Amino acid sequence: NAGVTQTPKFQVLKTGQSMTLQCAQDMNHNSMYWYRQDPGMGLRLIYYSASEGTTDKGEVPNGYNVSRLNKREFSLRLESAAPSQTSVYFCASSETQNTEAFFGQGTRLTVV
Amino acid sequence: GQQLNQSPQSMFIQEGEDVSMNCTSSSIFNTWLWYKQEPGEGPVLLIALYKAGELTSNGRLTAQFGITRKDSFLNISASIPSDVGIYFCAGKPTSGTYKYIFGTGTRLKVLA
Repeated sequence: NAGVTQTPKFQVLKTGQSMTLQCAQDMNHNSMYWYRQDPGMGLRLIYYSASEGTTDKGEVPNGYNVSRLNKREFSLRLESAAPSQTSVYFCASSETQNTEAFFGQGTRLTVV
Repeated sequence: GQQLNQSPQSMFIQEGEDVSMNCTSSSIFNTWLWYKQEPGEGPVLLIALYKAGELTSNGRLTAQFGITRKDSFLNISASIPSDVGIYFCAGKPTSGTYKYIFGTGTRLKVLA
């Protein structure tokens, strides 16, 4: 019953460091998403991939890049981390772009 | 951008009471989702609604897709302590975007 798996669960970075957040789903879903969650602001979409081979910007894409490695995996990269990127990051997937999304457990990232 | 207004922002209720919360949008949606998030976890899907006027139950939870297609409601009957958490609505606009928009959440606390 893995569903959507994110790694790591916690990470502390120094300003300017880079890192990649990993996400994998085992539900054979076509669409995958990256959200960030900040206090009082709900979930905001960073990037999404409607299907394997495609990626598109969401509401807050600046400072991030993504790769849809294959149908299962969708990674989020921070090239030069900034304190404003301190947040909880959630990966999600859905069977199609028109169906409900299922979330991973999140990655809590702190940039100091 | 499009916004969802979710209310109330927080609720403190006694165990056994019924709970109501709602989301309204400035545009028409073709899907409404309701999620629950517990501390340190990702959002978990509670109910998905796909048709205007649809009323769907999941145990003590009942959600409705408003007939104007601009709102949705979630009711919890006979609340129990484990209902504590943050409840999020999410809607998918009809404008052709593939993105779900999330409300800012209703934080529910149940007093035993």
